[in-house]
Amino acid sequence: DVKVTQSSRYLVKRTGEKVFLECVQDMDHENMFWYRQDPGLGLRLIYFSYDVKMKEKGDIPEGYSVSREKKERFSLILESASTNQTSMYLCASSLGGAIVSYEQYFGPGTRLTVT
Amino acid sequence: GENVEQHPSTLSVQEGDSAVIKCTYSDSASNYFPWYKQELGKRPQLIIDIRSNVGEKKDQRIAVTLNKTAKHFSLHITETQPEDSAVYFCAARGTGGGADGLTFGKGTHLIIQP
Repeated sequence: DVKVTQSSRYLVKRTGEKVFLECVQDMDHENMFWYRQDPGLGLRLIYFSYDVKMKEKGDIPEGYSVSREKKERFSLILESASTNQTSMYLCASSLGGAIVSYEQYFGPGTRLTVT
Repeated sequence: GENVEQHPSTLSVQEGDSAVIKCTYSDSASNYFPWYKQELGKRPQLIIDIRSNVGEKKDQRIAVTLNKTAKHFSLHITETQPEDSAVYFCAARGTGGGADGLTFGKGTHLIIQP
């Protein structure tokens, strides 16, 4: 059973703070993703990674960066949090590699509020 | 990049009736189309998916159809039950390279009326 966990369910930060969101998967998946979910906008891809130390921008990368130092861990960093980054953040992973399986498994989400 | 449109945004059906949610995509090279269900306060979970070399796929009360020519795909739920109430997202996997990046629709809130 694939397990994707996120470090916090709820987080409150102040404008200008540096924020770290952590995601860990336990199934040796190659690919990991960060999305944000806002009402009426669906899920929008921020960044993804298909290997350790590799990263690619998604559709809305501005204001974010990521780090993948180990295969199982993918971190999302808000360099200077702003109120428009208040959102639900979802991490996901997929198998990748030689086996063609595109299913993405999601974590429980982190609801971030920036005040 | 890929663009996915999903309709309707809200769908209310009587219990036992069928529900249909439709999505269109823009990238003709997209090759994978999953549907995710998200219950209130929970994470999205895959309920069915289809690849571009298949026109229809069924799993019990759920089916997905794909029309590559028209670039649209639909989710069909028959004999709806209260536990089908949720937000449903369609998605498409483009061929932009890199990982299996998905572009999601904005979601459909399905309400099953008793």
